[in-house]
Amino acid sequence: EVQLVESGGGLIQPGGSLRLSCAASGFTVSSNYMSWVRQAPGKGLEWVSVIYSGGSTYYADSVKGRFTISRDNSKNTLYLQMNSLRAEDTAVYYCARALGVTPHYWGQGTLVTVSS
Amino acid sequence: QTVVTQEPSFSVSPGGTVTLTCGLSSGSVSTSYYPSWYQQTPGQAPRTLIYSTNTRSSGVPDRFSGSILGNKAALTITGAQADDESDYYCVLYMGSGILFGGGTKLTVL
Repeated sequence: EVQLVESGGGLIQPGGSLRLSCAASGFTVSSNYMSWVRQAPGKGLEWVSVIYSGGSTYYADSVKGRFTISRDNSKNTLYLQMNSLRAEDTAVYYCARALGVTPHYWGQGTLVTVSS
Repeated sequence: QTVVTQEPSFSVSPGGTVTLTCGLSSGSVSTSYYPSWYQQTPGQAPRTLIYSTNTRSSGVPDRFSGSILGNKAALTITGAQADDESDYYCVLYMGSGILFGGGTKLTVL
């Protein structure tokens, strides 16, 4: 059974850093397209970043240069390093595994609140 | 900048049929964008309904179907039920990432 469990969210001051983790089971992270998707309070879904099975990474313009996606194959875990956080980064962050090329399996999400 | 468009809201009567669409601000949606559809209720993670245009996810009732209609991707719900009242999102594969539509709030009444 595919399972995704996010962790690492919390309250952080503007300008701070946070690292989100997504522990996967039931499949191999490195063999799949893995994405981070976020949802600000009361808003829609917004794609943040993807790492392809070949290792290529892509980012939404809103986070480019501030966020870094990575994976640890030995831990079968996906990460999102978030630097220079802003109030507008406040959201529930979901990790998702693709079936094909689009997100299919979703974690339960972790809340990141950027506020002083 | 490319934007994925969806109707902000839609209403359907119980037992009725509704078609939600997913378009591009410039250009047409084709199967090459691998359109997918998600259902989300408040406080819950998204649930995948349809992927690769028209493939139903495991456990999704066959009253949900996906297609390309004209220059847009479409999600059709046939025989709407009360618990179909949710937010629906489409996503398109853009090569260097994906783009979500703004979502459609579906009301069943």
